[in-house]
Amino acid sequence: EVQLVESGGGLVQPGGSLRLSCSASGFTFSSYAMHWVRQAPGKGLEYVSAISSNGGSTYYADSVKGRFTISRDNSKNTLYLQMSSLRAEDTAVYYCVKSLVGATYFDYWGQGTLVTVSS
Amino acid sequence: DIQLTQSPSFLSASVGDRVTITCRASQGISSYLAWYQQKPGKAPKLLIYAASTLQSGVPSRFSGSGSGTEFTLTISSLQPEDFATYYCQQLNSYPFFGGGTKVEIK
Repeated sequence: EVQLVESGGGLVQPGGSLRLSCSASGFTFSSYAMHWVRQAPGKGLEYVSAISSNGGSTYYADSVKGRFTISRDNSKNTLYLQMSSLRAEDTAVYYCVKSLVGATYFDYWGQGTLVTVSS
Repeated sequence: DIQLTQSPSFLSASVGDRVTITCRASQGISSYLAWYQQKPGKAPKLLIYAASTLQSGVPSRFSGSGSGTEFTLTISSLQPEDFATYYCQQLNSYPFFGGGTKVEIK
């Protein structure tokens, strides 16, 4: 059974940093691109970042470019999102997401971890 | 960037109703479109991908159609568990989502 378990969320002050982790199991983690999608309270889904299966290629939404860094450790089956210079508008539930082979359709989602940026 | 516009943004329906949700793309995206269902407090669930392919385990009352710029998600007979918010997602550029359609009980 595919499982994605996020951790690392919490309350952080504006300008602060936080690192999210996503522990994956039930599939060959190193074979799949992985993604982060977020959802602000009461709002829709926003695509944040992606990383290729070997980590060699990454993508960032304009809203987080230069502030967030996605990475992965295939030996630990873990995905990361390092977030810095956090802003109030980064407050959201952050989902770790797996995509289908060869296409960025999201077939498995974690339960999400809440990041709250507030003083 | 390709924008996705869903309509309606809110829909009130009864159990047993046939429900159709539309997603329009600002540019042609061939069939690179998916539909997700999200219930309150839960992660989204993939329903349909490649515009019309039903994800494994999804009930057959869900169907998708369309290509190019106009797509539809149809629920043939709305069930109590189908009251949720539905999102479309395009892949033609990087994956972006529509604004969502909330389906509520009439």
